[in-house]
Amino acid sequence: KQEVTQIPAALSVPEGENLVLNCSFTDSAIYNLQWFRQDPGKGLTSLLLIQSSQREQTSGRLNASLDKSSGRSTLYIAASQPGDSATYLCAAVSGGSYIPTFGRGTSLIVHP
Amino acid sequence: GAVVSQHPSWVICKSGTSVKIECRSLDFQATTMFWYRQFPKQSLMLMATSNEGSKATYEQGVEKDKFLINHASLTLSTLTVTSAHPEDSSFYICSASSGAEQYFGPGTRLTVT
Repeated sequence: KQEVTQIPAALSVPEGENLVLNCSFTDSAIYNLQWFRQDPGKGLTSLLLIQSSQREQTSGRLNASLDKSSGRSTLYIAASQPGDSATYLCAAVSGGSYIPTFGRGTSLIVHP
Repeated sequence: GAVVSQHPSWVICKSGTSVKIECRSLDFQATTMFWYRQFPKQSLMLMATSNEGSKATYEQGVEKDKFLINHASLTLSTLTVTSAHPEDSSFYICSASSGAEQYFGPGTRLTVT
């Protein structure tokens, strides 16, 4: 059974810092891995999707990498801003079933 | 991008009543829809997977008679919480897919008093 772990569980940083959020998964037979953002009381917003054959994806200040062999993905946020404050979730999508397994998320606060 | 809506966005009901939540894919046909439950400060827990025209597949520990799922068309799935109790209060999120990528709805906050 796939298990997804996110470290750290919470992070508080001053504005402008570069951040790394970590996601690890136990079963490397994934189809893809997605990173999401969730604001309090809201649904999920997809940030980046990395197919199993890819190593990284970039969108603006966000960069996500994937290392299937080690069961790890990282989300890099450059020049963080207060508007980046949210919970970030990663989900490993199992091959075949296409069912994602979510981590518990990293709660990020960027203070001015 | 693909858009998924949920209705209502929040609902308060009395204990013992039933509540229906709708999930719609607005600009694509969803062969599969998923229903998740999220408790405060917890991750999303998959409740069930539904394919259009067939019975939903429930995850272990989810009562199928309590959480009724209907996926009558390629753009609509409904979750009915029957005889709701305060412990059913939670954030319910649906997602829809036509392949490997899922698109999530905004969620429904259910409060049972």
